[in-house]
Amino acid sequence: AQSVSQHNHHVILSEAASLELGCNYSYGGTVNLFWYVQYPGQHLQLLLKYFSGDPLVKGIKGFEAEFIKSKFSFNLRKPSVQWSDTAEYFCAVNDYKLSFGAGTTVTVRA
Amino acid sequence: SQTIHQWPATLVQPVGSPLSLECTVEGTSNPNLYWYRQAAGRGLQLLFYSVGIGQISSEVPQNLSASRPQDRQFILSSKKLLLSDSGFYLCAYSLVGTNYGYTFGSGTRLTVV
Repeated sequence: AQSVSQHNHHVILSEAASLELGCNYSYGGTVNLFWYVQYPGQHLQLLLKYFSGDPLVKGIKGFEAEFIKSKFSFNLRKPSVQWSDTAEYFCAVNDYKLSFGAGTTVTVRA
Repeated sequence: SQTIHQWPATLVQPVGSPLSLECTVEGTSNPNLYWYRQAAGRGLQLLFYSVGIGQISSEVPQNLSASRPQDRQFILSSKKLLLSDSGFYLCAYSLVGTNYGYTFGSGTRLTVV
């Protein structure tokens, strides 16, 4: 069974700072990769996804993620965060089912 | 377009009582359906998934069961709730043969007292 590891449990940063959240997975075959976001009191929403092609994926709200196959990684980045990016972020990997990492809580201070 | 409905939003139940959470999907047929439980600091844990009516696969042995009596209906049940069943339960669907990912319902916060 595959596993998904998110390196940071809680990240606190100031507005305009850059954000990078690490994600590694264990499965060696073909996978689909996702980042989901859950804003306080809201549904889980898809932020971006990777299936094939360009390993640098652009998502909503200025987020991007880079798939590095040799490192089994799919790290999420945003160059300049806003207070509204405060949320919990989940990395997920899909072969026949969607497996999630433990999540990273991001707190952006104004 | 597809939509997913999950209810109730919150539920407080005594230990030993039964449970029934319902999830329905509209706007598509033969979706794959999933029940997840979200626990703080542990991400989302897949409990059950279904690829068709009456077909249920269990990922984690526990006090819960799932059923799919109709194509777009997925029910999570328990005969006798335990305190450890408290949590946030999410239903999700995916469309067969597509790369659209999973779409999640709004979730049910279950508190067993």
